[in-house]
Amino acid sequence: AQRVTQPEKLLSVFKGAPVELKCNYSYSGSPELFWYVQYSRQRLQLLLRHISRESIKGFTADLNKGETSFHLKKPFAQEEDSAMYYCALRYSGAGSYQLTFGKGTKLSVIP
Amino acid sequence: KAGVTQTPRYLIKTRGQQVTLSCSPISGHRSVSWYQQTPGQGLQFLFEYFSETQRNKGNFPGRFSGRQFSNSRSEMNVSTLELGDSALYLCASTIGLAGIHEQFFGPGTRLTVL
Repeated sequence: AQRVTQPEKLLSVFKGAPVELKCNYSYSGSPELFWYVQYSRQRLQLLLRHISRESIKGFTADLNKGETSFHLKKPFAQEEDSAMYYCALRYSGAGSYQLTFGKGTKLSVIP
Repeated sequence: KAGVTQTPRYLIKTRGQQVTLSCSPISGHRSVSWYQQTPGQGLQFLFEYFSETQRNKGNFPGRFSGRQFSNSRSEMNVSTLELGDSALYLCASTIGLAGIHEQFFGPGTRLTVL
C-alpha cells in the first residue's frame, strides 16, 4: 500500500542551524513527491515538487529511490520557516492519480 | 484571481445530525478534492470531483458523500454525524486532475460534533 511517513511530529532548531525534515515513502511504482507547508493561520500551499528540482525559500529536497526518501533540507533556518510541513506522494491507481499525505512535522525555529 | 473559498468557516453540530459543506474553486479550475484534517490522522483524502464526476475516493464510510455542479462548485455531505467527525475539512481546487496539477487549498471548514 502507498504510504508516506514523517517520523518527527515536532522538530525544534535554532535560527541559523541546518534543518532536515524527514519523509519516507512506500510505493512500488515510480513516485512523484511533494512538500506542502502550512504557516500559522494560512492555507496549506505547495512548497516544492521533486520533478522541478527547484529551491524554494532556501529549501531543497532530493528524491532518493534507493532509500525511498524525500527529505526536505535548508542550510540555515529562519524564524519565518516555523510551520507545519507535509510530505505527499502522488501515485496512480485504477486509471487515475491520487495524493496521499504524511501526518506532518511541525517545525519550530527558536530565535 | 480569487482563491478557493469554503463556507461556512465554522460549524457546530450534534451527533446524528447531517451537515453540508461548500467549496468554490478558483475560476477556471475543474477539479475539487476534499480532505479531512485531524491532529491524530493528519490530512486524509476523501474524494475528488472533476467535471461533475467523482474520479477518486478515499477510505471513508458511505456517510461521507459529495457532488460537483456544472460551475465546478462542490459540496460535501456527512450524514449521521459522529464525534470522530470533528475535524477541519479542506477542499482544494486544480485546473485539471488533482494528481497531475498543483492543488490550491481553501481555508477549511472547522466542524465540531458535540
